[in-house]
Amino acid sequence: GAGVSQSPSNKVTEKGKDVELRCDPISGHTALYWYRQSLGQGLEFLIYFQGNSAPDKSGLPSDRFSAERTGGSVSTLTIQRTQQEDSAVYLCASSSKIRAGGRQETQYFGPGTRLLVL
Amino acid sequence: AQSVAQPEDQVNVAEGNPLTVKCTYSVSGNPYLFWYVQYPNRGLQFLLKYITGDNLVKGSYGFEAEFNKSQTSFHLKKPSALVSDSALYFCAVRAPGTGFQKLVFGTGTRLLVSP
Repeated sequence: GAGVSQSPSNKVTEKGKDVELRCDPISGHTALYWYRQSLGQGLEFLIYFQGNSAPDKSGLPSDRFSAERTGGSVSTLTIQRTQQEDSAVYLCASSSKIRAGGRQETQYFGPGTRLLVL
Repeated sequence: AQSVAQPEDQVNVAEGNPLTVKCTYSVSGNPYLFWYVQYPNRGLQFLLKYITGDNLVKGSYGFEAEFNKSQTSFHLKKPSALVSDSALYFCAVRAPGTGFQKLVFGTGTRLLVSP
């Protein structure tokens, strides 16, 4: 079946503008994650959605960042008043329902959105 | 807090030779460990994971990794490297029972396989 898809693949914006990044998880996956990969750094966790539970927003770097997941499927990551330091690749991942006992299901990643803030 | 270290920014190996990409971790309790590979302008692809059971885990594309609890390591290995293995490799850990499912990643190791 189809994997995780993200759009746009590339986004160039001006400092101060708002941007929206979209993620379509694998069909049937209840968990969805956003990560950020900055130049020269590893992957940084941003936010995690699991079913109808309250999202884990502990990784969001500032209140300019927010995310929604509508209908338990598609997610949108919004960055308001973008800054140059927001330039990075934003990766989305999804996984199937966590099994009883907390066994870690594999996270499958999309191709990412490359954001450049001028 | 959990953490992952990949001590080598880059590993160079000749095609046909064995390769090792190192990873050490720090976590409370028994860890869940993962390796992902990233090709240029692509997302991360899952290679393998260790949850429990045999310490030697076999994954995609002929890769394997050995979980060593005493050394807190999870090194990625392949007996015979291919030029097409050249990519960026990430090790990741999740601590069980934390209630959160996020992965903590290392900074990545670039593997260059020369013909």
